[in-house]
Amino acid sequence: GQQVMQIPQYQHVQEGEDFTTYCNSSTTLSNIQWYKQRPGGHPVFLIQLVKSGEVKKQKRLTFQFGEAKKNSSLHITATQTTDVGTYFCAGLDQGGSEKLVFGKGTKLTVNP
Amino acid sequence: DTAVSQTPKYLVTQMGNDKSIKCEQNLGHDTMYWYKQDSKKFLKIMFSYNNKELIINETVPNRFSPKSPDKAHLNLHINSLELGDSAVYFCASSHGTSGYEQYFGPGTRLTVT
Repeated sequence: GQQVMQIPQYQHVQEGEDFTTYCNSSTTLSNIQWYKQRPGGHPVFLIQLVKSGEVKKQKRLTFQFGEAKKNSSLHITATQTTDVGTYFCAGLDQGGSEKLVFGKGTKLTVNP
Repeated sequence: DTAVSQTPKYLVTQMGNDKSIKCEQNLGHDTMYWYKQDSKKFLKIMFSYNNKELIINETVPNRFSPKSPDKAHLNLHINSLELGDSAVYFCASSHGTSGYEQYFGPGTRLTVT
């Protein structure tokens, strides 16, 4: 079945440093979504990418969808303590499955 | 106004008991989901309903039985609880069946002793 792998599992940075998490799918995706879960909270939708090679920005966050639609990345510029949390990618298989498969997440901690 | 709500927020119970978790969404969505998040934070889908019809039924022990009385509600009943059922259970909803952003509830932390 479809697998979505995410690396790294953990990332600790100093405030002001950049951060990137990578997501790879075993199958071609029709779209990929990114969610953020704060400690003790619930996943919150950040963005969805649909087109091959798509790049979207939200303030300090940059999201990319690979040309082959099998990988994606989230880059945060100049991290802040408010960025702390676990970032999940979730992919929808192009083969018609209605199931969104989540990666295991990257837990980001930021040292002030 | 809470978009997706779950009750209870915490549930502590003994092995062998039967318990239910309730979920309600006021977003007008037609698709609802149950996810299980284990201690390692792995988020795994269990069930999905679209317009009260079961559309995703993952490999989950048949001790778990979802029920959707209407589009706005999705409940989860668990029989004969086991230690391994301890986790956070999230309800979510979306506008459609695939490719739509999902809105998650606050979660129910289930602890089985």
